[in-house]
Amino acid sequence: AQSVAQPEDQVNVAEGNPLTVKCTYSVSGNPYLFWYVQYPNRGLQFLLKYITGDNLVKGSYGFEAEFNKSQTSFHLKKPSALVSDSALYFCAVRDGGSYIPTFGRGTSLIVHP
Amino acid sequence: DSGVTQTPKHLITATGQRVTLRCSPRSGDLSVYWYQQSLDQGLQFLIHYYNGEERAKGNILERFSAQQFPDLHSELNLSSLELGDSALYFCASSAYWTDASSGNTIYFGEGSWLTVV
Repeated sequence: AQSVAQPEDQVNVAEGNPLTVKCTYSVSGNPYLFWYVQYPNRGLQFLLKYITGDNLVKGSYGFEAEFNKSQTSFHLKKPSALVSDSALYFCAVRDGGSYIPTFGRGTSLIVHP
Repeated sequence: DSGVTQTPKHLITATGQRVTLRCSPRSGDLSVYWYQQSLDQGLQFLIHYYNGEERAKGNILERFSAQQFPDLHSELNLSSLELGDSALYFCASSAYWTDASSGNTIYFGEGSWLTVV
């Protein structure tokens, strides 16, 4: 079985400050991890993924995520937040035995000017 | 733009009616997925098709059905609609459903907003 948790419904950060959106997962095998972003009234856009290799994954719009196997986490980060980063962020996971990813409930990121 | 096209973008219909949502996957993608997004349930997987064949079912109601046609476009049929079916329905696509090298990254369309009144 696979599951993912996004412990924060909302994250508030000031523009220019670093941001972190948290994600923890549970899988029976090796995880495949994904982050998506959803802007208002839009579809989910793929940001980045971890399959194997380097624990730090870089993605679109300056976002990166760190895979931590011991803590079963895949937190999304950005060194300097922009107001335009305000959106809903989804973490997703699948294991090697399933090709259907399970999505978290999403975290609303609000970046204040 | 993900390359996944969904129509219609918005749809308002009455309870008890039937609607069809249409999806064209990214060029070359053989897999199509349908998801439902609502405030209380989050993002729920409904069904997956690969090259015309149903491969997996998720939380899809019996009143809902889907198919994928030879040209790879897909349709989601929702019948006997209820107020609770009001949601955003997403189609997503990927190249291969077992593509381990890419992690089977799926790409979403912009969604079809369904409002049942």
